[in-house]
Amino acid sequence: GQSLEQPSEVTAVEGAIVQINCTYQTSGFYGLSWYQQHDGGAPTFLSYNALDGLEETGRFSSFLSRSDSYGYLLLQELQMKDSASYFCAVRPWGYSTLTFGKGTMLLVSP
Amino acid sequence: GAGVSQSPSNKVTEKGKDVELRCDPISGHTALYWYRQSLGQGLEFLIYFQGNSAPDKSGLPSDRFSAERTGGSVSTLTIQRTQQEDSAVYLCASSAGQNEKLFFGSGTQLSVL
Repeated sequence: GQSLEQPSEVTAVEGAIVQINCTYQTSGFYGLSWYQQHDGGAPTFLSYNALDGLEETGRFSSFLSRSDSYGYLLLQELQMKDSASYFCAVRPWGYSTLTFGKGTMLLVSP
Repeated sequence: GAGVSQSPSNKVTEKGKDVELRCDPISGHTALYWYRQSLGQGLEFLIYFQGNSAPDKSGLPSDRFSAERTGGSVSTLTIQRTQQEDSAVYLCASSAGQNEKLFFGSGTQLSVL
């Protein structure tokens, strides 16, 4: 089976840097994805790591280490609008669908 | 359309009634997914369509749940004899083929009283 673990909640202040970790137990997968969901809104795609290493997109970066069964989302220069839930997800080999973690609620305070 | 559209946005029903939830995917997207999200929880996979066929319906929780897709476009998720535990946000997503970038609708908030 597939299992992804994320912290349930993370708090930080504006301008800070925060890292949201995702550890997983799955035999093999195509890559690690991250989605953002504001309260009451639709999940939106943030990033995808097919290979090990760091992918950077503006203030957001995502990292994957298959040997450590671990990935993270790094958010820099935090803004109030970054307060949202963040989900990691994988598509296991042989499957057509994404399996999501339970999500991490990020609270950014002034 | 510009994005994935779901209707209704909110649905309140009585226990035992049937409900239909609609999803209009992004034009040209061949893959369509239904997920369910309970309060404070992750996204639970329900069913996946490629075109009009459903190669993976392993997430449907019971035979009260069914879905269809017509014309390679619109999909309808039907829940028969609704139960209180069916209360959740039902999210639809589409993608251009089989990939990791899903485009989600805003969901239908279903409340079963």
